[in-house]
Amino acid sequence: DTEVTQTPKHLVMGMTNKKSLKCEQHMGHRAMYWYKQKAKKPPELMFVYSYEKLSINESVPSRFSPECPNSSLLNLHLHALQPEDSALYLCASSPRDSGGPRVETQYFGPGTRLLVL
Amino acid sequence: DAKTTQPPSMDCAEGRAANLPCNHSTISGNEYVYWYRQIHSQGPQYIIHGLKNNETNEMASLIITEDRKSSTLILPHATLRDTAVYYCIVRVYNFNKFYFGSGTKLNVKP
Repeated sequence: DTEVTQTPKHLVMGMTNKKSLKCEQHMGHRAMYWYKQKAKKPPELMFVYSYEKLSINESVPSRFSPECPNSSLLNLHLHALQPEDSALYLCASSPRDSGGPRVETQYFGPGTRLLVL
Repeated sequence: DAKTTQPPSMDCAEGRAANLPCNHSTISGNEYVYWYRQIHSQGPQYIIHGLKNNETNEMASLIITEDRKSSTLILPHATLRDTAVYYCIVRVYNFNKFYFGSGTKLNVKP
C-alpha cells in the first residue's frame, strides 16, 4: 500500500466552527507533514511530525492545531479560521525525518479543499 | 536555504520530448534535487530525484550540471496526461523540509 489518504475531500466551515482534517498512511512511514496550498501557488510547509513528535512548526497560527495520535494517523484541528485560510490542505509522509543527505521521498495525499465562510 | 527558479510555463507537442529547466545556484554539496508534478487539484506526485549523477526511471530523466547549479527534467515522449505543474525542489540539508519553487506549467498540445 503506497497511498496516503485524506478525509474529507471537501469541507465548508464558518469562522466559529471547529473541524478536523484527517490523514492516514499504512506504509510504515515515521514522518508526516501538513502543507497548505493557495490557488495557483506552490505548497507551503506547515508542520512536520517525526516519530509522532512535532519537529517543525513553520510559525503557523494557533488556530491550526496538529495532532499525531499514532504513527499512521495525522490530524489537523481547525478553530476560529478566517476566510483567507481557505486553501487545499495536503498531507504527506516519508520513511523518516532524518538529518544528513539520506533520501527522503515524500508521498502526498490528494488533499482536503477547505472553504471558510 | 537553497531556492529554485523555473520558467512559469512551457508548451510541448504530444509525442515530443519535454525539457523542463531549473536553476538552483545556491545548492549545497549534499542537497538533493527532487522533481514532483501536480495535476490540477491533486496532490503532488513524485517523479525523480538526484544528487550529482544523471538519473533515469520509468517516468523521466534528470540531468544535473557538473557544478550542480541547474538541472533539467526530461519527459522523453510527452502525452496529454503529462499536462501539469512541475516543481523543482531542493531538500534542505539536515532537515526533511521541502521548499517548493514556483513551478512550471507544462502544456502538452496535440
